Amino acid sequence: AQSVTQLDSHVSVSEGTPVLLRCNYSSSYSPSLFWYVQHPNKGLQLLLKYTSAATLVKGINGFEAEFKKSETSFHLTKPSAHMSDAAEYFCVVSPSGGYQKVTFGIGTKLQVIP
Amino acid sequence: GAVVSQHPSRVICKSGTSVKIECRSLDFQATTMFWYRQFPKQSLMLMATSNEGSKATYEQGVEKDKFLINHASLTLSTLTVTSAHPEDSSFYICSAGRDEQYFGPGTRLTVT
Repeated sequence: AQSVTQLDSHVSVSEGTPVLLRCNYSSSYSPSLFWYVQHPNKGLQLLLKYTSAATLVKGINGFEAEFKKSETSFHLTKPSAHMSDAAEYFCVVSPSGGYQKVTFGIGTKLQVIP
Repeated sequence: GAVVSQHPSRVICKSGTSVKIECRSLDFQATTMFWYRQFPKQSLMLMATSNEGSKATYEQGVEKDKFLINHASLTLSTLTVTSAHPEDSSFYICSAGRDEQYFGPGTRLTVT
C-alpha cells in the first residue's frame, strides 16, 4: 500500500524568496517519488523524480527535492521564487517501474506575490 | 524521453451523446495505460487501468458501463464516455507506463 500527504494545500511566497512545498509518503516498499507541476488549464509537467539513486534530486526550473527515508519526506524547494512558478504542485508516489498505479497527493497551490 | 499524446485536447458535447478520447504512446509500447480524472481544483483520481488485450480494471466507484476503455494495441488506449451528462465534465488524463509513468497532456470534456 502507498499514500502521499501534501501538508499544505496553499502556499504563498513573495517573489525572490525561497519556496518549500512539503510532502510525506507512506509505502510498504522502496518507492519512486515525483513532483509534477500543473499550470491553469494545462497538463502535468514533470519537475523531478527520485528513483533510489541520489537522495538530493535536481529538477527543472531551479527546483530540487531531498528524499529522507528516516522522515518519509520528499519536500520540494527552490531558492528564489519567480512569478512563473505560480501553479499547482503534485507529489506522487509509485512503486518502482511504470506498470503499477501511482498515487497523487491532493496538490499544493503556490501563489507568488510580486 | 517518452511521449504520450491525447486527442482531442478539448471537446464539448451535448448531454446524452458519447465521446471518445484517445491516448497514444508515441515512441514506446505500453502494455499498461492508466486513466485519471481531475475535478476543478482537485487532485487526479485514478479511474481505471487499461491492459492491452484484456479487460480494464476499474477503481471502486467508477461505472465501467459509463466509462468504456479499450486497449486494442500496444500504443493506443481509448476512453469512451457514454451517454455523457454535465456531471461528467472534467479533465481526463491518461498515462502510459514504462520505466515510469508518462502523462498525456489531458482532455477537457465539457458536457452541455
